[in-house]
Amino acid sequence: DGGITQSPKYLFRKEGQNVTLSCEQNLNHDAMYWYRQDPGQGLRLIYYSQIVNDFQKGDIAEGYSVSREKKESFPLTVTSAQKNPTAFYLCASSPGQVKTPQHFGDGTRLSIL
Amino acid sequence: AQSVSQHNHHVILSEAASLELGCNYSYGGTVNLFWYVQYPGQHLQLLLKYFSGDPLVKGIKGFEAEFIKSKFSFNLRKPSVQWSDTAEYFCAVNAGAGNNRKLIWGLGTSLAVNP
Repeated sequence: DGGITQSPKYLFRKEGQNVTLSCEQNLNHDAMYWYRQDPGQGLRLIYYSQIVNDFQKGDIAEGYSVSREKKESFPLTVTSAQKNPTAFYLCASSPGQVKTPQHFGDGTRLSIL
Repeated sequence: AQSVSQHNHHVILSEAASLELGCNYSYGGTVNLFWYVQYPGQHLQLLLKYFSGDPLVKGIKGFEAEFIKSKFSFNLRKPSVQWSDTAEYFCAVNAGAGNNRKLIWGLGTSLAVNP
């Protein structure tokens, strides 16, 4: 079955450390997204990519970076500049409609040690 | 600023009861509207969407939603719920103009259906 695979499921980061969250899809979707979910808040868009080698900042891009070297992969790096990284991160994809995610991964929960 | 409001945070129903989950948004321009669902232990997934045309949208599993432009609402309904409808439901609205257009999410409604 096609879908989105996020790894790892749980991730711990030390202060000052960069960490990378993996997102792979085998749906042949053009667009991919990264969202952050915090308690009491709706999903917030970090970055999105409409096509390979192109990506755009979302609403809360500061402290994060992404790459889109392959259609199937859209990794998210949480840098040391992100001062409050503890959250649940969701990766999503859609066939083409921008900013309209259709399929989501299981998520990665990031915590600070 | 645009926002999406889901009125009920937690809803508990018995099987066969009717369901209506409220969703209101604040934006005066053209919108696209969505309901997403997350069943326990599963991925978040798209339940139904409205882009244009008939304001009554049919989704999967017997769900429907009605876009009432004058009320800025997109309420989700189901005539008779089942235990398997227990899930978290999220309303989202694509709003804004040009490059400022973005998908704004509600906080979600947790639905528990008792058998």
